[in-house]
Amino acid sequence: DGGITQSPKYLFRKEGQNVTLSCEQNLNHDAMYWYRQDPGQGLRLIYYSQIVNDFQKGDIAEGYSVSREKKESFPLTVTSAQKNPTAFYLCASNPSGTSGKRSYNEQFFGPGTRLTVL
Amino acid sequence: GENVEQHPSTLSVQEGDSAVIKCTYSDSASNYFPWYKQELGKGPQLIIDIRSNVGEKKDQRIAVTLNKTAKHFSLHITETQPEDSAVYFCAASRRSSASKIIFGSGTRLSIRP
Repeated sequence: DGGITQSPKYLFRKEGQNVTLSCEQNLNHDAMYWYRQDPGQGLRLIYYSQIVNDFQKGDIAEGYSVSREKKESFPLTVTSAQKNPTAFYLCASNPSGTSGKRSYNEQFFGPGTRLTVL
Repeated sequence: GENVEQHPSTLSVQEGDSAVIKCTYSDSASNYFPWYKQELGKGPQLIIDIRSNVGEKKDQRIAVTLNKTAKHFSLHITETQPEDSAVYFCAASRRSSASKIIFGSGTRLSIRP
């Protein structure tokens, strides 16, 4: 099956610890995104990547880091510098990045990871 | 900066009735307007989208309308069913994937039996 997977579904972290959330896609999509969703609110962009080995900060990048070493993978690290990390984290991908393909900005989402800081 | 406003934040309708959710956007260069449905504890799923070269699009019980002059777009769900209960998000984006997609704040739709 093609799709976007996120793991784990639930994650608990002690204050002061870094934690990494996994996002994998086998859709051959160029662009990938990380969003944060707080209860009753919309989606806020943390980081995005148009192509391997390149990524840009979104609207709320402070306290987070990412890497894009492979096309299929875009892990997000929530660092101890993130003051309020408890939230639902969503990864998404888009068929066209900077590979020359032109398309509308269609984003497809994974199932999400719920992070709770204890 | 660019933003998308979505109304209402909550909506309760009788099963079988219609539901309408409205959004306005600020970036006049936006030309792609998707709608997402998010069920509890899951990621949003794209249910329908509209591009600026059309004013209306329909897919079974779901329809979207776009008024580029007024920078408004709306989601219409007819003959609502219990499985339509979810949170719905509108969004706006420019064509290039290099542009960010701006989401509305969501509408929680409840279908009363």
